[in-house]
Amino acid sequence: DAGVTQSPTHLIKTRGQQVTLRCSPKSGHDTVSWYQQALGQGPQFIFQYYEEEERQRGNFPDRFSGHQFPNYSSELNVNALLLGDSALYLCASSSWTSGNTGELFFGEGSRLTVL
Amino acid sequence: GQNIDQPTEMTATEGAIVQINCTYQTSGFNGLFWYQQHAGEAPTFLSYNVLDGLEEKGRFSSFLSRSKGYSYLLLKELQMKDSASYLCAVRAPLNDYKLSFGAGTTVTVRA
Repeated sequence: DAGVTQSPTHLIKTRGQQVTLRCSPKSGHDTVSWYQQALGQGPQFIFQYYEEEERQRGNFPDRFSGHQFPNYSSELNVNALLLGDSALYLCASSSWTSGNTGELFFGEGSRLTVL
Repeated sequence: GQNIDQPTEMTATEGAIVQINCTYQTSGFNGLFWYQQHAGEAPTFLSYNVLDGLEEKGRFSSFLSRSKGYSYLLLKELQMKDSASYLCAVRAPLNDYKLSFGAGTTVTVRA
């Protein structure tokens, strides 16, 4: 049973560029959340997708956008990259049919470095 | 908003017990979670508390006091593999789907 998979695992971009990160949720999960984790910090909520809609959004600018596809996979797009966007981007999947326990299954993350 | 505090670092000896405290101030409460994160790896779920009291799961236990806005994670019989960051996370009211995480507590287990 495949867990949450993310790609790419590492990438380097320069300021002003755009990046797309991809996530496939754990089998049977229909909800995908994205988090940003700076070095030495806890994950910060970016947004959550359910039924191909953004259900909730954290305190991130519009440069951060996302999408969920019919197969529940998801993309995170970041435009006009800033140095401060350098972080580990974590995708987490869950299934609301199993009850509101909040158990998130995280992928290994995509490590973004902006130069 | 959410304010979640936990110590930055703790060190303990193999076989000992360590208690990681977490205090929170949130607008509403709908559950507290503990995750373990080894360096360079994904966070993994450890425990969930929504009612006051102690939840025990093998060597790990988690306690919650909602009136005090306080939780702790107890790690018993420490093993070297328990060296990791431990993240406290809170979910606010119903229909708030995000988890708000603390900065994490790095636990180092020494032989």
